[in-house]
Amino acid sequence: SQTIHQWPATLVQPVGSPLSLECTVEGTSNPNLYWYRQAAGRGLQLLFYSVGIGQISSEVPQNLSASRPQDRQFILSSKKLLLSDSGFYLCAWGRDGLSPQHFGDGTRLSIL
Amino acid sequence: TQLLEQSPQFLSIQEGENLTVYCNSSSVFSSLQWYRQEPGEGPVLLVTVVTGGEVKKLKRLTFQFGDARKDSSLHITAAQPGDTGLYLCAGRANAGGTSYGKLTFGQGTILTVHP
Repeated sequence: SQTIHQWPATLVQPVGSPLSLECTVEGTSNPNLYWYRQAAGRGLQLLFYSVGIGQISSEVPQNLSASRPQDRQFILSSKKLLLSDSGFYLCAWGRDGLSPQHFGDGTRLSIL
Repeated sequence: TQLLEQSPQFLSIQEGENLTVYCNSSSVFSSLQWYRQEPGEGPVLLVTVVTGGEVKKLKRLTFQFGDARKDSSLHITAAQPGDTGLYLCAGRANAGGTSYGKLTFGQGTILTVHP
């Protein structure tokens, strides 16, 4: 069966520090991968998606970037965090663009 | 830009009551998914509906996709405290072009079922 892992579960970072959140998927190959941000337990905003290694599409202009160095690894990064980057970040995978998406347990990011 | 309006935003009911959550849009979706999320966890997929007019049942939960594939509803019969959580609908744009695979999420319904 397929599983998705995100870490860390929680992170507290000072303003201006760098960020790296990692997401890995097991049990499938060449999945579509997604990064979302969720504000205060509400709807999800798509940040990035990837259909293959090295292929990243950005949905909204922002202070964050994403990379996919390996087939089942998706990384969310920032060089300098802003206060507005605080939130709950979710990684998801789908078998392809038509299949349901399955989510990791998220990372709670707090910027001080 | 496709939007999904989800209502109500908050729902607080007593155990045993019935409830309905709605998702509406002016856009057509190729499919629509419903998720349930608990605090500190990721959303868990409940169901996917793909055909206009489709009705799916999952125990006490009934999901319906509108005939025109622009709206959907989730009905819970005899709600229980274990049903408490955030319910999210998410519509998928038609495959192809730049919208391939992307989901548009509603703002969610926070359901609290009191014992």
